[in-house]
Amino acid sequence: QLQLQESGPGLVTPSETLSLTCTVSGGSISSSPYYWAWIRQTPGKGLDWIANIYYSGTTNYNPSLKSRVTISLDTSKNQFSLKLNSVTAADTAVYSCARGGSHVHYAIDHWGRGTLVTVSS
Amino acid sequence: DIQMTQSPTSLSASVGDRVTITCRASQIINRYLNWYQHKPGKAPKLLIYAASSLQSGVPSRFSGSGSGTDFSLTIESLQPEDFATYYCQQSSGDSHTFGQGTNLEIK
Repeated sequence: QLQLQESGPGLVTPSETLSLTCTVSGGSISSSPYYWAWIRQTPGKGLDWIANIYYSGTTNYNPSLKSRVTISLDTSKNQFSLKLNSVTAADTAVYSCARGGSHVHYAIDHWGRGTLVTVSS
Repeated sequence: DIQMTQSPTSLSASVGDRVTITCRASQIINRYLNWYQHKPGKAPKLLIYAASSLQSGVPSRFSGSGSGTDFSLTIESLQPEDFATYYCQQSSGDSHTFGQGTNLEIK
C-alpha cells in the first residue's frame, strides 16, 4: 500500500528557506503515469496547490509561488522535496505531499498526513 | 491561472437529506474536475475524478456531473460520516487549483 510521509523543520525564520521532504513507500516515484505534488492549507483557509513533478522530471508550479518554489525528485532515496524561499508569516500552513496521475484523470489519489510549518522569529 | 468558485461555502443539512454542491471554473476545463472530502486532522479523500467517475471504494450515494465550466457534486441520503468539507479541483491547467471549499454541517 502506498504511503507518503512528510519531514522537515516545524519552525522556519522569516526570509529563510522552507525545506520539506516526502518519503514514498509501497511504490516507486519513477513509475508512470504518476506525478508527485505539494499542497498546503493555511489556518482557517482552503487548499493551495504549490507544485507537482512527473516521474519524467517535468515540473509545474503555482504561478503565485513560482518565483520562490523548487520541487525535485531523488530517485535513489524514493523521495521528493520542496524548497520555498524568502518565507513570510503568510507561508505558515500545513504542508502535504501527494500523488496523482493520469490513471485518475490527473486528480490526487494518495496524500500524506501533512506537517505544520510555522514561520516565525 | 484557472479560478474555481464553489457554492455554497457552507451548508447545513440533516441525516437522510440530499445535497448538491456546485463548482464553476473561470475557463473551459472539459471534464478535468475532481471532488475531495476533507475531515479535520485527516488527509483529503478523492471522491470523484473526471467530473463523474467514482473513485474505488467510495459509496454510490456520491455522484458528480457537469462539463465545460459548470459542475456539481450530489450526495444522496446523507450519512453521519459525510459531514465534512468538500473541495472541487481542476486538473486541466498546469497548476491544479482548488475551490474554496464547502463546509457541510449537521443541522
